[in-house]
Amino acid sequence: DQQVKQNSPSLSVQEGRISILNCDYTNSMFDYFLWYKKYPAEGPTFLISISSIKDKNEDGRFTVFLNKSAKHLSLHIVPSQPGDSAVYFCAAENYGGSQGNLIFGKGTKLSVKP
Amino acid sequence: NAGVTQTPKFRVLKTGQSMTLLCAQDMNHEYMYWYRQDPGMGLRLIHYSVGEGTTAKGEVPDGYNVSRLKKQNFLLGLESAAPSQTSVYFCASSTSGTSSYEQYFGPGTRLTVT
Repeated sequence: DQQVKQNSPSLSVQEGRISILNCDYTNSMFDYFLWYKKYPAEGPTFLISISSIKDKNEDGRFTVFLNKSAKHLSLHIVPSQPGDSAVYFCAAENYGGSQGNLIFGKGTKLSVKP
Repeated sequence: NAGVTQTPKFRVLKTGQSMTLLCAQDMNHEYMYWYRQDPGMGLRLIHYSVGEGTTAKGEVPDGYNVSRLKKQNFLLGLESAAPSQTSVYFCASSTSGTSSYEQYFGPGTRLTVT
């Protein structure tokens, strides 16, 4: 049973517009959430994270929103750039569980068109 | 700094053959991890280590063994490869087991078992 779900396999956005990537989770014990970006033939790279005690975290063009009651988080990229085209993975951790054990979603492939 | 490196980048094995994947990090990280990524799937944790000489099972440990004889190296072994182990393998490291410390990933090893 998937604990972290990214229901949109792909998303296409025009350059300069907002990209919104969504992630849902089922385990209420998750206390930390992360977004990773992955280019082809490379390993994932950390993008942004949020603790369960917050509802928003912002870093430049990237903002992550957390809605604990809905068990939902989203990543906003504004403005989107062609270099943002990549696969984005949502991940969650239950620190009370296995140390450092991240549960990843299946990913969403973002394409930003010039 | 090279960060996290993986050897080899590609490998083709026949069913029943054995091999070892090497992961090395030069960031003096305590924690190291091995993940696998299958098509259309997120990353799944195979084994991890919280320090030199220690190892622990992750989500999908069957068919794999690991060793952490040196702090900077984490080896993943397949004793008798099976087609189900065809995957891309990623190694990662972090300063701590909590996700408030991001995991740094290597570029991956693409393994095909025929």
